[in-house]
Amino acid sequence: QIQLVQSGAEVRKPGASVKVSCKASGYTFNRYGISWVRQAPGQGLEWMGWISTYNGHTSIGQNLQGRVTMTRDTSTSTVHMELRSLRSDDTAVYYCARDVGYGDYGGVRFDSWGQGARVTVSS
Amino acid sequence: DIQMTQSPSSLSASVGDRVTITCRASRSISNNLNWYQQRPGKAPNLLIFAASSLQSGVPSRFSGSGSETDFTLTISSLQPEDFATYYCQQSYGTPRTFGQGTKLEIK
Repeated sequence: QIQLVQSGAEVRKPGASVKVSCKASGYTFNRYGISWVRQAPGQGLEWMGWISTYNGHTSIGQNLQGRVTMTRDTSTSTVHMELRSLRSDDTAVYYCARDVGYGDYGGVRFDSWGQGARVTVSS
Repeated sequence: DIQMTQSPSSLSASVGDRVTITCRASRSISNNLNWYQQRPGKAPNLLIFAASSLQSGVPSRFSGSGSETDFTLTISSLQPEDFATYYCQQSYGTPRTFGQGTKLEIK
């Protein structure tokens, strides 16, 4: 079955960096992109960006550009998301999700999700 | 960016009720609209994609409709496990924005 398994919880100080991983199994890794979505405590969902597992091309949300890097390792079917210059408002649960396309206008759906990785930024 | 606005933000209902949640896009998104359910402490779960297509494994009491800017999610007969938060999301453009969520609570 399709699974996305994420790395564990992290605690960082302001200004530091964190790298969260997402290991895919149960399907052909490079056929579907991966999006990252985060959720601050008690808040809604925020799309962070997307990576093509085929060629590594990324699309990052404008408010995170310059602080986020997404990479993939096809040998281990793993995607990584690194967030730098952490601030307290980066405290959130970070999810990876499989991007599956549909329709004629580039629609995508997130049909499988990782379990989430809690990142806490605190001095 | 395309803004997604859900209403209501919260809703109280009873088991067996029919409920409808609406989602409005700030501009036309064709049918590129998805609905997710999120239970506390869990990852979101895809219910509906392309505005009205039921994701495999999702009960048929969930349905979606709409196009362009106005969309609805309907649960025909609420079950105890349906009490959760629901999000719409557009995938017409990037960033792939979500609505603010609708929390469905037991009356």
